[in-house]
Amino acid sequence: SQQGEEDPQALSIQEGENATMNCSYKTSINNLQWYRQNSGRGLVHLILIRSNEREKHSGRLRVTLDTSKKSSSLLITASRAADTASYFCATPSALNSGNTPLVFGKGTRLSVIA
Amino acid sequence: GAVVSQHPSRVICKSGTSVKIECRSLDFQATTMFWYRQFPKQSLMLMATSNEGSKATYEQGVEKDKFLINHASLTLSTLTVTSAHPEDSSFYICSARPSQGQMNTEAFFGQGTRLTVV
Repeated sequence: SQQGEEDPQALSIQEGENATMNCSYKTSINNLQWYRQNSGRGLVHLILIRSNEREKHSGRLRVTLDTSKKSSSLLITASRAADTASYFCATPSALNSGNTPLVFGKGTRLSVIA
Repeated sequence: GAVVSQHPSRVICKSGTSVKIECRSLDFQATTMFWYRQFPKQSLMLMATSNEGSKATYEQGVEKDKFLINHASLTLSTLTVTSAHPEDSSFYICSARPSQGQMNTEAFFGQGTRLTVV
């Protein structure tokens, strides 16, 4: 079953603008991860934020985590046409387990228009 | 970073035939691999957990006799779609973490296999 919801489901912006995607989840977590998927391709890991972290940066990516609200956001700054893809948040399906599958949100389809 | 290779990337088969999809961890060992299914414009849904040297565990609603999983070595898991039907057409993706993976580590994904049953 899916862990939660992401919004928006689809987002269209102009190149250079910032894109913000939100993710909510239902259960307690050790970490939350964001992945990117180009159309018809596999998933690429973007960033992992641990449950004791509130914010994390990687290049043009900024991820926040609010465990009290069970939500996370992914911000892509200065977007480029190449950022066009689907973005998914994912959480481990079980706590305290080293090798547990990820449960994915529904994803946000981002379109960056040049 | 670690690499997971999935093959084939695309396959078209006739109804009633079987298709085998391979998932290999190229530079690490994985006692556990995961198989997901994704329909167009939807999210990934976990199908089963592949365990090296033992039976796979399937999610509710996934037919184990239809989706045969074999994890014969620490670097290879295979998913065989048996007696394929058009409704099995989908995108199948495998995932793995190194066997020594701790809780807070990323998962690595194969490139996915687009299966079309005609």
